[in-house]
Amino acid sequence: SQQGEEDPQALSIQEGENATMNCSYKTSINNLQWYRQNSGRGLVHLILIRSNEREKHSGRLRVTLDTSKKSSSLLITASRAADTASYFCATARVGNQFYFGTGTSLTVIP
Amino acid sequence: DGGITQSPKYLFRKEGQNVTLSCEQNLNHDAMYWYRQDPGQGLRLIYYSQIVNDFQKGDIAEGYSVSREKKESFPLTVTSAQKNPTAFYLCASSLSTGRGSSYNSPLHFGNGTRLTVT
Repeated sequence: SQQGEEDPQALSIQEGENATMNCSYKTSINNLQWYRQNSGRGLVHLILIRSNEREKHSGRLRVTLDTSKKSSSLLITASRAADTASYFCATARVGNQFYFGTGTSLTVIP
Repeated sequence: DGGITQSPKYLFRKEGQNVTLSCEQNLNHDAMYWYRQDPGQGLRLIYYSQIVNDFQKGDIAEGYSVSREKKESFPLTVTSAQKNPTAFYLCASSLSTGRGSSYNSPLHFGNGTRLTVT
């Protein structure tokens, strides 16, 4: 399987705290993407980082990529109750194939 | 508004019956995908299609079939050969930059179909 692995599997924090989740993958990639899934819904794309980039920001999101370690991290700053969801990393390869990790379930307590 | 529509949201079938899940998109995307999601296992790729009348198997294609007769539509049939069909099925689409491209545009997902087979 080409799937990545997210760590931790579950994370519970207080509103206003930062949340960090990590993703490790197995093969070389073109880019890595992070998605969010609310319970019972489809996934929503959050941010894409290319293999030649090391860090990227979008609003309260910060993503890093270390291709030598085959790992990425997603940081959500100043978390809100509405950030409660599952977060997945997806690795993208040539040919438009995407492979997803197992996800991190984030709970933000108001 | 552009998007992906999956129907129905919930589907119940008896064991041994084939069932077809609908996926329609009006985003003018070339590529479409079917994923299966089980608790604790993330998303697994069933089939994907980059252009009309062409599709490829993903990691878990056994027991499933697809067709891509129109750009907008990518229905998935869960056959009686699928041993554990009960799952949450997600359809997605993306702009396709062609085979061998070094860039992958993001996936747009539908809201899924929860299939229960008893």
